[in-house]
Amino acid sequence: EAGVAQSPRYKIIEKRQSVAFWCNPISGHATLYWYQQILGQGPKLLIQFQNNGVVDDSQLPKDRFSAERLKGVDSTLKIQPAKLEDSAVYLCASSLGQGNEKLFFGSGTQLSVL
Amino acid sequence: SQQGEEDPQALSIQEGENATMNCSYKTSINNLQWYRQNSGRGLVHLILIRSNEREKHSGRLRVTLDTSKKSSSLLITASRAADTASYFCATDYEGSGSRLTFGEGTQLTVNP
Repeated sequence: EAGVAQSPRYKIIEKRQSVAFWCNPISGHATLYWYQQILGQGPKLLIQFQNNGVVDDSQLPKDRFSAERLKGVDSTLKIQPAKLEDSAVYLCASSLGQGNEKLFFGSGTQLSVL
Repeated sequence: SQQGEEDPQALSIQEGENATMNCSYKTSINNLQWYRQNSGRGLVHLILIRSNEREKHSGRLRVTLDTSKKSSSLLITASRAADTASYFCATDYEGSGSRLTFGEGTQLTVNP
């Protein structure tokens, strides 16, 4: 069974530039999550989709972050414009049902903002 | 903050020894999960314990939950060098709308 795919693996940009991350969840998984993990900290939920609807985006900085999940499958997360404090690993995860039991994570995209 | 807090922040042991990590949280939960993260990788789900359960086992893993103390512990028995990783507890708080809140993690190093 293929896991959660994310790209790119690494990204280096300058502040005020824009960047986009892509995620392909496990086939058939209804729920998709984007987490931000700053070095030395635990993951923090940015946004949660169920199929192609948003379940929770209360912690998403909407002035600069946006995400979409077209057709309830792939998802993209965008940052525009990036700030230095956005340097982190962005993790995508998916789960089979509507709840949050047993999340499967991708390897993440490591973003460095200079 | 409602996030769980792991204790200790870092733990270094020898192969064959047992490793115990603790997680404390602040409000009532639906379930609590433990995840492992190897350096530079995503998280891997280890075990889930529901609020009405007190103990669960999975291979060399044993998880306990004490809802009266709002705490959980993860025990890894007969540790191996391959167990070296960060371990996170994640809590599903009642009323959170199924949001999982992760703690800061315990960095476990198992020395060969």
